[in-house]
Amino acid sequence: QVELQESGPGLVKPSETVSLTCSVSGGAVSSYYWSWIRQAPGQGLEWVADIFYDGITNYNPSLKSRVTISLDTSKSRFSLKLISVTAADTAVYFCARGAPISILGAAPKYFDSWGQGILLTVSS
Amino acid sequence: QSALTQPASVSGSPGQSISISCTGTSSDIGGYDFVSWYQQHPGKAPKLMIYEVSNRPSGISYRFSGSKSGDTAFLTISGLQAEDEADYYCCSYKSSSTLVVFGGGTKVTVL
Repeated sequence: QVELQESGPGLVKPSETVSLTCSVSGGAVSSYYWSWIRQAPGQGLEWVADIFYDGITNYNPSLKSRVTISLDTSKSRFSLKLISVTAADTAVYFCARGAPISILGAAPKYFDSWGQGILLTVSS
Repeated sequence: QSALTQPASVSGSPGQSISISCTGTSSDIGGYDFVSWYQQHPGKAPKLMIYEVSNRPSGISYRFSGSKSGDTAFLTISGLQAEDEADYYCCSYKSSSTLVVFGGGTKVTVL
């Protein structure tokens, strides 16, 4: 049973850069997508980015200019870096494992394991 | 505004069946069988309930079923129980630069 656990600062100031990390345990990082999905307070889910085990990345176009996702297979963890944050980035950030559409990747077709989520608040 | 359209709320009495719709386009729901549904209780992480339109992961009750017709997907909950009260989100692969799209969520209330 794979488990995911997010970590990172809970509070950052506007215009700052923030990094969130997701630690994966109980399963290998190979053959899957590793994703970040966020949920603003009282709102729905928004896909942010994902990375295939081979390092290929996908980004939500609305965030692509400010987001970088990376994967450290040796430590079984992946990270999200978000630059120039604003209050609109305040949300619970979930990390999740995605099943690939094909063995070549393309995109995740569903998310079968999720972390508990971490609240990121952007405020001065 | 979410890429997929869901009703804001659906309610039903215990034991009844309810269905939640999720409408997209030919670029997502209508074009691919990569529709999934997630249940989210307050303060909790989403939980996969249905994948690839109609498949249930291990451990998910048979009371949950999924289907699709054209550009619209459906999640049906039969024999509604108090524990089913939660938010439900649909999700689909999309053949565009936005590869993954979610619905806005539907709040299910058990009367």
